[in-house]
Amino acid sequence: GAGVSQSPSNKVTEKGKDVELRCDPISGHTALYWYRQSLGQGLEFLIYFQGNSAPDKSGLPSDRFSAERTGGSVSTLTIQRTQQEDSAVYLCASSLVGGSPLHFGNGTRLTVT
Amino acid sequence: AQSVTQLDSQVPVFEEAPVELRCNYSSSVSVYLFWYVQYPNQGLQLLLKYLSGSTLVESINGFEAEFNKSQTSFHLRKPSVHISDTAEYFCAVSAIQGAQKLVFGQGTRLTINP
Repeated sequence: GAGVSQSPSNKVTEKGKDVELRCDPISGHTALYWYRQSLGQGLEFLIYFQGNSAPDKSGLPSDRFSAERTGGSVSTLTIQRTQQEDSAVYLCASSLVGGSPLHFGNGTRLTVT
Repeated sequence: AQSVTQLDSQVPVFEEAPVELRCNYSSSVSVYLFWYVQYPNQGLQLLLKYLSGSTLVESINGFEAEFNKSQTSFHLRKPSVHISDTAEYFCAVSAIQGAQKLVFGQGTRLTINP
């Protein structure tokens, strides 16, 4: 596709369940980022991929959060044992190379009940 | 490490009035600077960027921002706003070297009143 695609667009899950969020970056973009947008919290950096490796995962809030990227393309963000404070919009972005302007997907709105 | 402060969480203005959204940053290394815009129910879009060269950068819809290194600021301005400019605006920085993640400010919600 022409832009960054994220799925699902909305996810409601029960506390304690695991969730997987998917991101399809723009074809050819080597850098991929995950951010979290919460009310009143702005945009919080989670993890950055260059190719399949993650040189910066400093923003992952706890060991319940993990992410991987395969084939230099699709990325999945996994949250285990979800908590209510995990409720947020999870945004994925990609760029041609690290440091060039980011192209954002529309996000996955996660609600933990 | 970098940090970004957007001094105003909300800015209400009347249509056709001028507006300035303030952004200050902190960094021990040289940075690139960006403004992103998020229209209601839409994703984030790049509005304008400063990479090098002229310190005044412009967007296609009339916004401009000026990089002021001495004041570590990158304020966003528009001389006359339109209803369609209603959105949330995010200032962001990334280090020129190293792991180039984008660090965002908290955002400024711009509301245009008729």
